[in-house]
Amino acid sequence: DTEVTQTPKHLVMGMTNKKSLKCEQHMGHRAMYWYKQKAKKPPELMFVYSYEKLSINESVPSRFSPECPNSSLLNLHLHALQPEDSALYLCASSQDFAPGVGQYFGPGTRLLVL
Amino acid sequence: AQSVTQLDSQVPVFEEAPVELRCNYSSSVSVYLFWYVQYPNQGLQLLLKYLSGSTLVKGINGFEAEFNKSQTSFHLRKPSVHISDTAEYFCAVSDDRGSTLGRLYFGRGTQLTVWP
Repeated sequence: DTEVTQTPKHLVMGMTNKKSLKCEQHMGHRAMYWYKQKAKKPPELMFVYSYEKLSINESVPSRFSPECPNSSLLNLHLHALQPEDSALYLCASSQDFAPGVGQYFGPGTRLLVL
Repeated sequence: AQSVTQLDSQVPVFEEAPVELRCNYSSSVSVYLFWYVQYPNQGLQLLLKYLSGSTLVKGINGFEAEFNKSQTSFHLRKPSVHISDTAEYFCAVSDDRGSTLGRLYFGRGTQLTVWP
C-alpha cells in the first residue's frame, strides 16, 4: 500500500460549523504534513508531525487544530472558518526526515467555506 | 531559507513536441531536488528526485531532469509529450538541515498544456 488517503473529497461548511478532515497512510511513515493550496498556487505548509508529535506549526490560526491519534492517522479539525480558508487541503507523509526522502501526497479535500 | 524559481508560469506545446520546464534554486546548503506533477483536481505526484550521483535523473512517464550545480538549475524535460501530460508541474527543494524536518520549498508552478 503506497498511498495516502484523505476524506472527505469535498466539504462545504458554514462559518459557524465544526468539521474534521481525515488523512491516513499505511506505509509506516513517521512524518506527516498538512498543506493548504489555493488555486494556481503551490502548496503552503501548515503543520508537521514527527513521530505523532507536532513539530512545526507555521503560524496557522487557531481555527485550524491538527491531531495525530496514531502513527497512521492525521486529522485537521476546523472551527469558525472564514471564506478565505476555502482551498484544497493536502496531506502528505514521508518515511522520516532523512534528507531527500520526498513526500507522498494524498488527493486532497476541497473545502468551501460559505 | 531556500528559494525556487520557475520562470515560466505557462508552457503551451503541441502533442509529440519536446518540452523543457525550467527550475532554478538558491541555497547556502546542500539541497535535494524534486519535481512533482498535479493533474486537475488531484494531489501531487512525485515525478523524480535528485539526491546525489548522476546529474541526469529519469522519472516516471518518460520525464527526466538534469541537475546543474554551477547554474543551480534542475530543468525537467520530455522528448515527446502527450495530451495526458497536461498538468501543473512543481519544482521543490529540501535541504539536509535537521531543523527543517524534510520541509519542501516549492516553486510557483508551471502549467503545461499540450494541444492536439
